[in-house]
Amino acid sequence: EDQVTQSPEALRLQEGESSSLNCSYTVSGLRGLFWYRQDPGKGPEFLFTLYSAGEEKEKERLKATLTKKESFLHITAPKPEDSATYLCAVQDMNTGFQKLVFGTGTRLLVSP
Amino acid sequence: DTAVSQTPKYLVTQMGNDKSIKCEQNLGHDTMYWYKQDSKKFLKIMFSYNNKELIINETVPNRFSPKSPDKAHLNLHINSLELGDSAVYFCASSTGTARFFGPGTRLTVL
Repeated sequence: EDQVTQSPEALRLQEGESSSLNCSYTVSGLRGLFWYRQDPGKGPEFLFTLYSAGEEKEKERLKATLTKKESFLHITAPKPEDSATYLCAVQDMNTGFQKLVFGTGTRLLVSP
Repeated sequence: DTAVSQTPKYLVTQMGNDKSIKCEQNLGHDTMYWYKQDSKKFLKIMFSYNNKELIINETVPNRFSPKSPDKAHLNLHINSLELGDSAVYFCASSTGTARFFGPGTRLTVL
Protein backbone atom coordinates (compact mmCIF):
# COMPACT_ATOMS: atom_id res chain seq x y z
CA GLU A 1 0.00 0.00 0.00
CA ASP A 2 1.24 3.49 -0.86
CA GLN A 3 2.46 5.51 2.12
CA VAL A 4 3.60 9.06 2.68
CA THR A 5 5.31 10.24 5.88
CA GLN A 6 6.15 13.88 6.49
CA SER A 7 8.55 15.29 9.04
CA PRO A 8 8.71 17.22 11.18
CA GLU A 9 5.05 17.51 12.17
CA ALA A 10 5.62 21.13 13.10
CA LEU A 11 8.45 23.57 12.53
CA ARG A 12 9.00 27.01 13.96
CA LEU A 13 11.50 29.31 12.23
CA GLN A 14 12.64 32.86 12.62
CA GLU A 15 12.26 35.07 9.58
CA GLY A 16 15.29 34.49 7.36
CA GLU A 17 16.16 31.13 8.94
CA SER A 18 16.33 28.58 6.09
CA SER A 19 15.27 24.97 6.61
CA SER A 20 13.90 21.87 4.87
CA LEU A 21 10.76 19.77 5.16
CA ASN A 22 10.92 16.05 4.44
CA CYS A 23 8.49 13.74 2.65
CA SER A 24 9.32 10.01 2.61
CA TYR A 25 7.23 7.80 0.39
CA THR A 26 6.59 4.17 -0.51
CA VAL A 27 4.96 3.36 -3.83
CA SER A 28 5.24 0.44 -6.23
CA GLY A 29 6.01 2.89 -9.05
CA LEU A 30 6.03 6.66 -8.79
CA ARG A 31 3.95 8.52 -11.34
CA GLY A 32 4.39 11.86 -9.58
CA LEU A 33 5.03 13.56 -6.25
CA PHE A 34 3.15 16.72 -5.37
CA TRP A 35 3.61 19.53 -2.89
CA TYR A 36 0.69 21.63 -1.70
CA ARG A 37 0.37 24.55 0.69
CA GLN A 38 -2.69 24.78 2.93
CA ASP A 39 -3.60 27.91 4.87
CA PRO A 40 -5.99 27.64 7.84
CA GLY A 41 -9.61 27.39 6.74
CA LYS A 42 -8.70 27.01 3.06
CA GLY A 43 -8.20 24.24 0.54
CA PRO A 44 -4.75 22.99 -0.45
CA GLU A 45 -3.02 25.10 -3.08
CA PHE A 46 -0.87 23.35 -5.67
CA LEU A 47 2.86 24.18 -5.59
CA PHE A 48 4.91 21.61 -7.52
CA THR A 49 4.90 18.27 -9.29
CA LEU A 50 8.08 16.16 -9.48
CA TYR A 51 8.25 13.09 -11.68
CA SER A 52 11.71 11.55 -11.48
CA ALA A 53 14.67 11.31 -9.14
CA GLY A 54 17.02 14.25 -9.51
CA GLU A 55 14.31 16.65 -10.60
CA GLU A 56 14.08 20.06 -8.92
CA LYS A 57 11.45 22.79 -9.09
CA GLU A 58 11.58 26.32 -7.69
CA LYS A 59 9.08 29.01 -6.86
CA GLU A 60 10.13 32.15 -5.04
CA ARG A 61 11.67 31.01 -1.73
CA LEU A 62 10.66 27.36 -2.19
CA LYS A 63 12.63 24.61 -3.89
CA ALA A 64 11.44 21.01 -4.14
CA THR A 65 13.78 18.10 -4.82
CA LEU A 66 13.18 14.41 -5.37
CA THR A 67 15.10 11.17 -4.77
CA LYS A 68 13.88 7.60 -5.16
CA LYS A 69 12.61 7.49 -1.58
CA GLU A 70 11.98 11.04 -0.47
CA SER A 71 11.39 14.63 -1.39
CA PHE A 72 12.55 17.78 0.32
CA LEU A 73 10.94 21.19 0.32
CA HIS A 74 13.68 23.71 0.98
CA ILE A 75 12.63 27.11 2.26
CA THR A 76 15.24 29.81 1.84
CA ALA A 77 15.06 32.97 3.98
CA PRO A 78 11.40 32.41 4.88
CA LYS A 79 9.00 35.23 5.62
CA PRO A 80 5.98 35.20 7.96
CA GLU A 81 3.67 34.84 4.94
CA ASP A 82 5.23 31.42 4.28
CA SER A 83 3.52 30.15 7.44
CA ALA A 84 1.14 27.34 6.43
CA THR A 85 0.80 23.57 6.43
CA TYR A 86 2.77 21.96 3.61
CA LEU A 87 1.33 18.71 2.27
CA CYS A 88 3.09 16.10 0.19
CA ALA A 89 1.23 13.56 -1.95
CA VAL A 90 2.16 10.72 -4.30
CA GLN A 91 0.54 9.18 -7.31
CA ASP A 92 1.23 5.52 -8.00
CA MET A 93 1.63 4.36 -11.61
CA ASN A 94 -0.41 1.28 -10.85
CA THR A 95 -3.47 2.94 -9.36
CA GLY A 96 -4.41 5.44 -12.02
CA PHE A 97 -3.90 9.17 -12.14
CA GLN A 98 -7.03 9.93 -10.16
CA LYS A 99 -5.69 8.66 -6.86
CA LEU A 100 -3.38 10.81 -4.73
CA VAL A 101 -2.14 9.61 -1.35
CA PHE A 102 -1.40 12.47 1.05
CA GLY A 103 0.85 12.79 4.06
CA THR A 104 -0.40 14.53 7.19
CA GLY A 105 1.66 17.63 6.51
CA THR A 106 4.21 19.85 8.22
CA ARG A 107 2.87 22.93 10.01
CA LEU A 108 5.34 25.75 9.44
CA LEU A 109 5.31 28.91 11.55
CA VAL A 110 7.67 31.73 10.61
CA SER A 111 8.06 34.43 13.24
CA PRO A 112 9.12 37.98 12.39
CA ASP B 1 -12.94 34.37 -10.57
CA THR B 2 -13.48 31.40 -8.28
CA ALA B 3 -12.09 28.20 -9.81
CA VAL B 4 -13.62 25.55 -7.53
CA SER B 5 -16.47 26.64 -5.28
CA GLN B 6 -18.38 24.79 -2.58
CA THR B 7 -21.50 25.54 -0.61
CA PRO B 8 -22.09 25.76 2.23
CA LYS B 9 -18.81 26.65 3.95
CA TYR B 10 -20.13 25.54 7.33
CA LEU B 11 -22.75 22.92 8.09
CA VAL B 12 -23.93 22.11 11.61
CA THR B 13 -26.56 19.42 11.96
CA GLN B 14 -27.96 16.74 14.23
CA MET B 15 -27.17 13.04 14.06
CA GLY B 16 -29.51 11.17 11.76
CA ASN B 17 -30.18 14.09 9.43
CA ASP B 18 -29.56 14.11 5.68
CA LYS B 19 -27.49 16.90 4.13
CA SER B 20 -25.93 17.89 0.81
CA ILE B 21 -22.81 19.78 -0.20
CA LYS B 22 -22.57 21.35 -3.64
CA CYS B 23 -19.47 21.83 -5.76
CA GLU B 24 -18.88 23.63 -9.02
CA GLN B 25 -15.72 24.20 -11.08
CA ASN B 26 -15.26 26.69 -13.90
CA LEU B 27 -11.86 25.41 -15.04
CA GLY B 28 -13.21 23.14 -17.77
CA HIS B 29 -11.67 20.09 -16.08
CA ASP B 30 -12.95 16.60 -16.86
CA THR B 31 -12.29 15.05 -13.46
CA MET B 32 -13.75 16.01 -10.09
CA TYR B 33 -13.18 14.62 -6.61
CA TRP B 34 -14.41 14.60 -3.06
CA TYR B 35 -11.86 14.44 -0.25
CA LYS B 36 -12.34 14.19 3.50
CA GLN B 37 -9.90 15.89 5.89
CA ASP B 38 -10.07 14.69 9.48
CA SER B 39 -9.07 16.49 12.67
CA LYS B 40 -5.46 15.39 12.22
CA LYS B 41 -5.39 17.07 8.80
CA PHE B 42 -5.20 13.75 6.96
CA LEU B 43 -6.66 14.23 3.49
CA LYS B 44 -8.25 11.11 2.01
CA ILE B 45 -9.98 10.63 -1.31
CA MET B 46 -13.61 9.55 -1.23
CA PHE B 47 -14.80 9.69 -4.83
CA SER B 48 -13.57 10.58 -8.28
CA TYR B 49 -15.72 11.32 -11.32
CA ASN B 50 -14.52 11.66 -14.89
CA ASN B 51 -16.98 13.20 -17.33
CA LYS B 52 -19.90 12.44 -14.98
CA GLU B 53 -18.80 8.81 -14.59
CA LEU B 54 -17.73 7.34 -11.23
CA ILE B 55 -14.06 6.25 -11.36
CA ILE B 56 -13.04 5.88 -7.71
CA ASN B 57 -15.13 4.94 -4.69
CA GLU B 58 -12.79 4.50 -1.76
CA THR B 59 -14.55 2.27 0.78
CA VAL B 60 -16.92 5.03 1.72
CA PRO B 61 -20.16 4.03 3.51
CA ASN B 62 -23.09 3.94 1.13
CA ARG B 63 -24.70 6.72 3.20
CA PHE B 64 -22.50 8.95 1.04
CA SER B 65 -23.78 9.37 -2.49
CA PRO B 66 -22.07 11.61 -5.02
CA LYS B 67 -24.02 12.98 -7.96
CA SER B 68 -22.60 14.62 -11.06
CA PRO B 69 -25.32 16.31 -13.14
CA ASP B 70 -22.71 17.60 -15.59
CA LYS B 71 -18.95 17.87 -15.98
CA ALA B 72 -18.76 21.10 -13.95
CA HIS B 73 -20.70 19.93 -10.90
CA LEU B 74 -20.19 17.20 -8.33
CA ASN B 75 -22.50 17.20 -5.33
CA LEU B 76 -22.25 15.07 -2.20
CA HIS B 77 -25.33 13.84 -0.39
CA ILE B 78 -25.00 12.26 3.04
CA ASN B 79 -27.81 10.26 4.64
CA SER B 80 -28.27 9.45 8.33
CA LEU B 81 -25.35 11.57 9.51
CA GLU B 82 -23.16 10.15 12.27
CA LEU B 83 -20.81 11.83 14.74
CA GLY B 84 -17.80 10.37 12.89
CA ASP B 85 -18.80 12.20 9.73
CA SER B 86 -17.66 15.47 11.30
CA ALA B 87 -14.73 16.69 9.17
CA VAL B 88 -13.85 19.14 6.46
CA TYR B 89 -14.93 18.01 2.99
CA PHE B 90 -13.04 19.31 -0.03
CA CYS B 91 -14.10 19.22 -3.62
CA ALA B 92 -11.33 19.29 -6.24
CA SER B 93 -10.90 19.11 -9.98
CA SER B 94 -8.09 18.26 -12.36
CA THR B 95 -7.30 17.91 -16.00
CA GLY B 96 -4.32 15.67 -15.42
CA THR B 97 -2.23 15.29 -12.34
CA ALA B 98 -2.43 18.50 -10.29
CA ARG B 99 -5.57 18.97 -8.21
CA PHE B 100 -7.28 22.30 -7.68
CA PHE B 101 -9.18 22.35 -4.43
CA GLY B 102 -12.23 24.23 -3.28
CA PRO B 103 -12.32 26.14 0.03
CA GLY B 104 -13.85 23.23 1.96
CA THR B 105 -17.07 22.60 3.89
CA ARG B 106 -16.72 22.12 7.62
CA LEU B 107 -19.37 19.61 8.68
CA THR B 108 -20.16 19.31 12.37
CA VAL B 109 -22.54 16.57 13.49
CA LEU B 110 -23.98 17.04 16.98
